Amino acid sequence: DGGITQSPKYLFRKEGQNVTLSCEQNLNHDAMYWYRQDPGQGLRLIYYSQIVNDFQKGDIAEGYSVSREKKESFPLTVTSAQKNPTAFYLCASSIVVNYEQYFGPGTRLTVT
Amino acid sequence: DQQVKQNSPSLSVQEGRISILNCDYTNSMFDYFLWYKKYPAEGPTFLISISSIKDKNEDGRFTVFLNKSAKHLSLHIVPSQPGDSAVYFCAASGAGSARQLTFGSGTQLTVLP
Repeated sequence: DGGITQSPKYLFRKEGQNVTLSCEQNLNHDAMYWYRQDPGQGLRLIYYSQIVNDFQKGDIAEGYSVSREKKESFPLTVTSAQKNPTAFYLCASSIVVNYEQYFGPGTRLTVT
Repeated sequence: DQQVKQNSPSLSVQEGRISILNCDYTNSMFDYFLWYKKYPAEGPTFLISISSIKDKNEDGRFTVFLNKSAKHLSLHIVPSQPGDSAVYFCAASGAGSARQLTFGSGTQLTVLP
C-alpha cells in the first residue's frame, strides 16, 4: 500500500528539549511538506522540499529545522527556540508538477 | 492577511439535503483550487479540485463551483450523508515555487440523521 506514515501519533516533551517528528512516503513523490494546524485555524506551511538535499522555508519556519537526505524521508525537528510548539503536525507529499498533496495521519505534539 | 477565507466555522444540515460550503480568496494569482476533508486526529484527504479555466467540476455527490470575478468558490454536497460530517478545508494554489497550497481555516460540517 502506498502512502505517508508519520510517527508517533502522540508525542510529549518537556519545554527546552528538541524533538524530531518522522515522515516517510513510498509514493515516489519528489515534493514533501510540513504543516502545522492549531485549533480553529487552517494549515500553515512550515517547510517544503522539492528535491533531495534541497528545502525551503514556508510561512512559519522559525524554531523548526528539516533535512531531506532521502527522497522517501523528510523529518522535522521542533527546536527549543519554537515559542509555541504544542500543535498538530501534518506531513504531505506531491508529484512536483501535480497540485494534489497527499497527507499523512499527523502527529500531535504536546510540550509542557 | 488571510488570502483564503472560510467565513463559516460550522454548518449543520439534515441528512438528504444539500450542504453548501463557501470559500473566498483575495489573491488574483490563484489558479487552482482544492477541497480537502478532515476527520479528527487524521490528515486531510483530497476531495475535489477545479482549475481557473473552468467554472464547475463534478464528482459524484460533490460539485465545486468557481466564480472568478467574485473570487468565490463553493462546494455542494448532494445528498448529504452522516458520514460527510467532518471539517472541510478550501485551499488555493498559484504561480510560484512548489505550487504551495494556502489553506482556509475550515468549516465543520455536521449532517444530522
